[in-house]
Amino acid sequence: KNQVEQSPQSLIILEGKNCTLQCNYTVSPFSNLRWYKQDTGRGPVSLTIMTFSENTKSNGRYTATLDADTKQSSLHITASQLSDSASYICVVSRGNKLVFGAGTILRVKS
Amino acid sequence: DAGVIQSPRHEVTEMGQEVTLRCKPISGHDYLFWYRQTMMRGLELLIYFNNNVPIDDSGMPEDRFSAKMPNASFSTLKIQPSEPRDSAVYFCASSFWGGGTGELFFGEGSRLTVL
Repeated sequence: KNQVEQSPQSLIILEGKNCTLQCNYTVSPFSNLRWYKQDTGRGPVSLTIMTFSENTKSNGRYTATLDADTKQSSLHITASQLSDSASYICVVSRGNKLVFGAGTILRVKS
Repeated sequence: DAGVIQSPRHEVTEMGQEVTLRCKPISGHDYLFWYRQTMMRGLELLIYFNNNVPIDDSGMPEDRFSAKMPNASFSTLKIQPSEPRDSAVYFCASSFWGGGTGELFFGEGSRLTVL
């Protein structure tokens, strides 16, 4: 079954700390994996897109990793800021179809 | 570019009423997608268009839902008659390439509440 599972479901961290969000998928065939950030009341915004051959991609303080063998991805946020509070959604592309994870809700506290 | 523009941002209506959601994609994008997001089910694809032609509408819940794209710069999602279980946030997204390859750009969403 084509699924994308994210953990943890929610996370609270202190401002300035690092955190890592996990994404495991069983989607096949695999085209690419994306991480989106969705602020409350807004639409999702793309952070990274990684193809099969890429295992690391950075976007500022966000670094995504991909292990296509184990079908796992992670999103690492460095030196978190209050503005990082959002839902982070892992999305795996299966041909022309996207399979969405349920998201991890991150709250950064001061 | 202003990005994907959706209207209305919020809609409150009564059961049985017709609801029309509107979307203006990013100019030059060939693909347009309608998604629905709920707490229980997350983001679900309803339908997508390529060059104004509906390609896959298998996600449309039932006959009460219909979508049109009369030209490259405008699409509508209509619910008639609306029911309380249709309450959700509806997102429109557009892409230069197909959904599997290209980056998707989402609008800000239309929050629908059916009483």
